[in-house]
Amino acid sequence: EVQLVESGGGLVQPGGSLRISCAASGFSFSTYWMTWVRQAPGKGLEWVANIKKDGSEKFYVDSVKGRFTISRDNAKNSLYLQMNSLRAEDTAVYYCARASIFATWAPFDYWGQGTLVTVSS
Amino acid sequence: DIQMTQSPSTLSASVGDRVTITCRASQSISNWLAWYQQKPGKAPNLLIFKTSGLESEVPSRFSGSGSGTEFTLTISSLQPDDFATYYCQQYNTSPTFGQGTKVEIK
Repeated sequence: EVQLVESGGGLVQPGGSLRISCAASGFSFSTYWMTWVRQAPGKGLEWVANIKKDGSEKFYVDSVKGRFTISRDNAKNSLYLQMNSLRAEDTAVYYCARASIFATWAPFDYWGQGTLVTVSS
Repeated sequence: DIQMTQSPSTLSASVGDRVTITCRASQSISNWLAWYQQKPGKAPNLLIFKTSGLESEVPSRFSGSGSGTEFTLTISSLQPDDFATYYCQQYNTSPTFGQGTKVEIK
């Protein structure tokens, strides 16, 4: 069974940093593109970043470029999102998701339960 | 960025109704469009990929159509489990989602 379990969310002050993680199981993690999608409270979905299976390519939404870094450790079946210079508008539930096809851009067929990041003083 | 616009934002319907949700792209995305269902407090669930491909285990009452810039999601006979919010997503380039359509009980 495919499982994605996020962790590491919490309350952080504006300008602060946080790293969230996603533990994957039940599939060959190292062969899939992976992504982070966020959802602000009561709002819609926003793609944040994705990373190629070997970590050699990474893409970001403009609003997080230079502040967020996506990474992965295939030996640990884990995906990460390092978030720096956090702003109030980064407050959201962050979902880890798997790309359904072996392509840069794809729909997402498995999602974690999400981890809430709150940026507030 | 490609903008995705869904209509309506909210839809009131009854069990058994045929429901159609529209999604328009700001430029052509060929057929690189997906639909998701999301229930409160839960992660989205992929329903449709590549405009009309039905994801595994998704009931056949869900169907998708369209091409280029205009797409539709149709639920042929609305069931109690279908009351939720639906999102379209383009993946022709860096993904963008529509703002969502909430299907509520009439």
